Amino acid sequence: NAGVTQTPKFRILKIGQSMTLQCTQDMNHNYMYWYRQDPGMGLKLIYYSVGAGITDKGEVPNGYNVSRSTTEDFPLRLELAAPSQTSVYFCASSIRAGLNTEAFFGQGTRLTVV
Amino acid sequence: EDKVVQSPLSLVVHEGDTVTLNCSYEVTNFRSLLWYKQEKKAPTFLFMLTSSGIEKKSGRLSSILDKKELFSILNITATQTGDSAVYLCAVSMDSNYQLIWGAGTKLIIKP
Repeated sequence: NAGVTQTPKFRILKIGQSMTLQCTQDMNHNYMYWYRQDPGMGLKLIYYSVGAGITDKGEVPNGYNVSRSTTEDFPLRLELAAPSQTSVYFCASSIRAGLNTEAFFGQGTRLTVV
Repeated sequence: EDKVVQSPLSLVVHEGDTVTLNCSYEVTNFRSLLWYKQEKKAPTFLFMLTSSGIEKKSGRLSSILDKKELFSILNITATQTGDSAVYLCAVSMDSNYQLIWGAGTKLIIKP
């Protein structure tokens, strides 16, 4: 009964370092999303994917990259970490587009860039 | 610009009280409004509303949508300390796959 699994849960990066946030879902959902949530703010969409091999930019894509080689996995890559990327990152998936159905969220990754 | 505004930003009440959380929106091609509860970690789904005037209910929680006045309310009756959380409202549109999220209402229930 895993649902959406994100790793790691916490990470501290130095400015300029790179890392990949992993996201896996076992519900055979086509749609997957990466959000960031800053303190006191709502969720901002970084990238989304409507199926394997298809990705697109969301509201705040700069500084990030994604890939979707399989239905299950949707990793988020930070190439040159900046302090502005300090945030909590959530991966989510839904069976259809996030238009009319609930999204299932991972437990989040708290990232600090120093 | 599409936006979702929640009020109040924070609320402190005593156990047993009833609370009403508000979510107003201005979006093009509205499709649905969703409520989520976020405790320490990931948001968990509460309700999805698409039609005006039809109340969704789950235990002590209920929600209703007014598409004419462009808002929704989330009611929690007989509050318990376990209801303490941030309640998020999001709106989806026909035109794209994005959800527009409000900033949330932080609800604290004191014993």
